[in-house]
Amino acid sequence: AIRMTQSPSSFSASTGDRVTITCRASQGISSYLAWYQQKPGKAPKLLIYAASTLQSGVPSRFSGSGSGTDFTLTISCLQSEDFATYYCQQYYSYPLAFGQGTKLEIK
Amino acid sequence: EVQLVESGGGLVQPGGSLRLSCAASGFTFSSYWMSWVRQAPGKGLEWVANIKQDGSEKYYVDSVKGRFTISRDNAKNSLYLQMNSLRAEDTAVYYCARGEMVTGYWGQGTLVTVSS
Repeated sequence: AIRMTQSPSSFSASTGDRVTITCRASQGISSYLAWYQQKPGKAPKLLIYAASTLQSGVPSRFSGSGSGTDFTLTISCLQSEDFATYYCQQYYSYPLAFGQGTKLEIK
Repeated sequence: EVQLVESGGGLVQPGGSLRLSCAASGFTFSSYWMSWVRQAPGKGLEWVANIKQDGSEKYYVDSVKGRFTISRDNAKNSLYLQMNSLRAEDTAVYYCARGEMVTGYWGQGTLVTVSS
């Protein structure tokens, strides 16, 4: 099974900051990677799929990059509504797998 | 508007069974793969199972194989998860989601608690 590892697990940032979250796969997954955002008590929301394709309706300050084993999610200018937990997910092979999550908190 | 509404969660003893349902509306249910994803309290997301449009293909995470069964009724626009031999580690919010691999629509989740 492919394991997904995110870093950092949590960190603090300020509104307006540029932040990057990293996701590493235990083996190559081409570009079969998605990113989700989850706020407390809510269902996850799809942000990006195919490593870099923005889901419809998602603000352009979100971007994704990478292929193979190393991926990044970048938020170019943090807004208050972006403070949440972010998950990467591989869909290259079964069993589908999520990273452990990165909690982004307000500094 | 796409809507997914889960039901059937609750408190069950270890070794017990529970059947979750997901009522879908706002889209052509029979045209989409459907999935179940769970989240233990305070923990991350875990994909559980998915099922093809006609039910001919089903996939499961190893930890539920042989205990959980995913199914669907396209005439009723409904997705199901039959959970048997439940364990404490199955305690989680269970989400129904539209899609095979990447899930763009999710329900609000239903809580399953396995405890004596």
